[in-house]
Amino acid sequence: QSALTQPRSVSGSPGQSVTISCTGTSSDVGGYSHVSWYKQYPGMAPKLMIYDVNKRPSGVPDRISGSKSGNTASLTISGLRAEDEADYSCCSYAGDYAHVIFGGGTKLTVL
Amino acid sequence: EVQLVQSGAEVKKPGESLKISCQVSGYDFISYCLAWVRQMPGKGLEWMGVIYPGDSNTKYNPSFRGRVTISADRSISTAYLHLSSFRASDTAIYYCARPRYSGTYFFEFAYWGQGALVTVSS
Repeated sequence: QSALTQPRSVSGSPGQSVTISCTGTSSDVGGYSHVSWYKQYPGMAPKLMIYDVNKRPSGVPDRISGSKSGNTASLTISGLRAEDEADYSCCSYAGDYAHVIFGGGTKLTVL
Repeated sequence: EVQLVQSGAEVKKPGESLKISCQVSGYDFISYCLAWVRQMPGKGLEWMGVIYPGDSNTKYNPSFRGRVTISADRSISTAYLHLSSFRASDTAIYYCARPRYSGTYFFEFAYWGQGALVTVSS
């Protein structure tokens, strides 16, 4: 099972919005509603930002949102701030064989 | 407060076996799945497998072809990752992680250990 496909990097200026895509197949992203997103600073453990495609854990601001269309999930960050600069990874349930797969990660740069 | 505390960094020789631990506190250990996720240097996250301590049921990433075993000791609220035939490409940070929901739900990871760096030494 191949990793989900994410762009290696995206960038935006403070106050702008950016969207990070996560493309899989009908056997993972497209087949289930268990897509999650993680934010990771260098040298730190990942932090859950979105689960079940578009749900936010408590403490995650509402300028962070998730969505899915077909085999592609997306994470949108609006009102960019300096502290949003980090690596973001998507994750999806992938059925009874592969179980869980991650994307390769996207580095977000706030210009 | 939910806490996942992992054992420390290790150096392994090729062919050796690796066993690292994850001791949890702040919740009922047997009621939540516990997964292992690794991250090779400069690479993305990779799911290795999961255990449900309630019945010790496990699921594994097929790409590890039987090299991975996950176990749990309920008496000390600790899960273990065992990786056999260690190779240079196994150099990574290894994390344990727990989902938000109890039971056999294991699709996302709300709580993470601090990570354990495992490197290879020839």
